Amino acid sequence: GENVEQHPSTLSVQEGDSAVIKCTYSDSASNYFPWYKQELGKRPQLIIDIRSNVGEKKDQRIAVTLNKTAKHFSLHITETQPEDSAVYFCAASGLGTNAGKSTFGDGTTLTVKP
Amino acid sequence: EAQVTQNPRYLITVTGKKLTVTCSQNMNHEYMSWYRQDPGLGLRQIYYSMNVEVTDKGDVPEGYKVSRKEKRNFPLILESPSPNQTSLYFCASSLALNTEAFFGQGTRLTVV
Repeated sequence: GENVEQHPSTLSVQEGDSAVIKCTYSDSASNYFPWYKQELGKRPQLIIDIRSNVGEKKDQRIAVTLNKTAKHFSLHITETQPEDSAVYFCAASGLGTNAGKSTFGDGTTLTVKP
Repeated sequence: EAQVTQNPRYLITVTGKKLTVTCSQNMNHEYMSWYRQDPGLGLRQIYYSMNVEVTDKGDVPEGYKVSRKEKRNFPLILESPSPNQTSLYFCASSLALNTEAFFGQGTRLTVV
C-alpha cells in the first residue's frame, strides 16, 4: 500500500519567515495530494491541494509543489504569521488498486514566533 | 449549513461494551471515511465508503465495523472495544473520490 513520510515533525520559525514542509510517497498511482491544517482542538481543514497533472499551485501565501518523478511534494508558506501555528498534514490518494484509500503523513507542528 | 456531524463528542466506556459512533453529512457527498488520530501517528484510515452499500477497509480496520445503508450516514461500530482503541476519531466526507475531505468535529473515545 501507500506510504507517506512527512518532514520535519516540528518546525519553529520567526514571524515573517518562510516555512517548508516536505512529504514523500511510495505509490506511483497516487494522483491527489492535499494539505490539511489542524489547529489545537479543532478538526483538520484543507488549505491547498494539487493533482498529478500540475507541478505547482499557489494560493496567496501558500504554495504546493509536486515532483512526480521523485515522488515528493512540498508545502511552502511565505510571510508566516502567528495564526499559521498549527499541525499540518499531507496526504496522498489515487486510483487503481488502492482507489478510495487515503494515506496521511504523521504531521508537522509549526510554531510561528511573534 | 453544510457540515459533517459526529456523535458523541466524548465517550468513556469499558472494555467489551459495544458502542456506535454516528456520522452524518448533509452535503450529498458520495465518499465517506473514518480515521483515528493518535499522537505522532497522524490520521490513519479505518474504513471508507465510495457509495451506498459499498464499504472497504483502510489501513487499520481491525476491531471496527461500518455500514452505509444511506448516503448521508456512516456509523462506526466497535463490537468489543479494547483499551488500544482509545483515540480521537474523525469522520470525513467528500463530494467524490480524491476531492477535498470535510471532517466532523471528532469523537474522543476512552476505553478503560
